[in-house]
Amino acid sequence: GAVVSQHPSRVICKSGTSVKIECRSLDFQATTMFWYRQFPKQSLMLMATSNEGSKATYEQGVEKDKFLINHASLTLSTLTVTSAHPEDSSFYICSARALPGLGDLGYNEQFFGPGTRLTVL
Amino acid sequence: GDSVTQMEGPVTLSEEAFLTINCTYTATGYPSLFWYVQYPGEGLQLLLKATKADDKGSNKGFEATYRKETTSFHLEKGSVQVSDSAVYFCALSKDSSASKIIFGSGTRLSIRP
Repeated sequence: GAVVSQHPSRVICKSGTSVKIECRSLDFQATTMFWYRQFPKQSLMLMATSNEGSKATYEQGVEKDKFLINHASLTLSTLTVTSAHPEDSSFYICSARALPGLGDLGYNEQFFGPGTRLTVL
Repeated sequence: GDSVTQMEGPVTLSEEAFLTINCTYTATGYPSLFWYVQYPGEGLQLLLKATKADDKGSNKGFEATYRKETTSFHLEKGSVQVSDSAVYFCALSKDSSASKIIFGSGTRLSIRP
């Protein structure tokens, strides 16, 4: 199946610093990537939708200046958490949407990365 | 707003036991319904889906039936294996291209040998 990687898998940083998380589709091209955030024992919450070559679309309540998204190529999207604070500590998950028919179940499927755990001290 | 509610875990079963993980949803219109599975250290994978009422999704021995009258999409498997240990997420989407997926909080399943 299609594979999506994230780097780093885990990061610890000091308050006030910025952290960049990479999301790569390894064996397919993805015109659209998605960024989610997950708090312990809670749902994945969509933060933004990232289309290659254009500005990301952010969900209501997500600060676009706080969470910078760049989708410069068909295989890479990055999320930068700027001036991170302890309340930004969370599990960040990306997904990439394959072209129609690529998914095993014949659906326009999102393929998910393994996630990045961010801890801000 | 639209939402998904699934049974809290963790759920611990013995190998070959029958599994049910309950999922109910709230949504206007006719959403598509999904079950995703996340194995340790891996990303979420689509396990099965159903796009309209009375559809049954199935994969790897797991089944779920789209019940509009009870707004439910319960996941079942007749005989679980240790390798089924994972976190299971129920989800819905009202977008035919699956752009916006609304997830439940996940249920951790552990299977004892």
